[in-house]
Amino acid sequence: GENVEQHPSTLSVQEGDSAVIKCTYSDSASNYFPWYKQELGKRPQLIIDIRSNVGEKKDQRIAVTLNKTAKHFSLHITETQPEDSAVYFCAAQKGSNYQLIWGAGTKLIIKP
Amino acid sequence: DADVTQTPRNRITKTGKRIMLECSQTKGHDRMYWYRQDPGLGLRLIYYSFDVKDINKGEISDGYSVSRQAQAKFSLSLESAIPNQTALYFCATSDPYGYTFGSGTRLTVV
Repeated sequence: GENVEQHPSTLSVQEGDSAVIKCTYSDSASNYFPWYKQELGKRPQLIIDIRSNVGEKKDQRIAVTLNKTAKHFSLHITETQPEDSAVYFCAAQKGSNYQLIWGAGTKLIIKP
Repeated sequence: DADVTQTPRNRITKTGKRIMLECSQTKGHDRMYWYRQDPGLGLRLIYYSFDVKDINKGEISDGYSVSRQAQAKFSLSLESAIPNQTALYFCATSDPYGYTFGSGTRLTVV
């Protein structure tokens, strides 16, 4: 079955710098890759997603890139701010009849 | 956001007790899920349901059971709670545009 690995488990960056979180997946049939943000004490919420027919998607300071050949996708956050501190989860899905397979999460710490 | 509502929000129970966590949704989604989250760990799927007549085990279903009473309601039961079931439990629904999570139930088994 599908397996999703996420790195790093913890990432600490200076406020204003960029942060990159990487995920790899095992099933080449996966075609949907969302990213969720979970702030402390709150529920995970979708922040951006990408489907396998595109290589990159941007939304203001966040972007996701997908490399289907290498089977990995990454979340990029530029000009980090204190409110970016959270746990970020990646996931992969290979079709609408399958559930998401989740990465283990990355705790992002923004240092003032 | 009250689209997915979980009750109770917090619960302390004793070892061996039966407990039910409830989830209701107003999003009209067919698909519903129960996840468990432990400190420092990710989301682990307990059970999922793609419609009222479809119930499936996830990766950690042992010790848990579920009931899909209606499209809008999906409850999780611990038949005989044990301390290592202490965790944060999330219910979620999904459609092609993503998952919506409830606010979570923090369960402590003493």
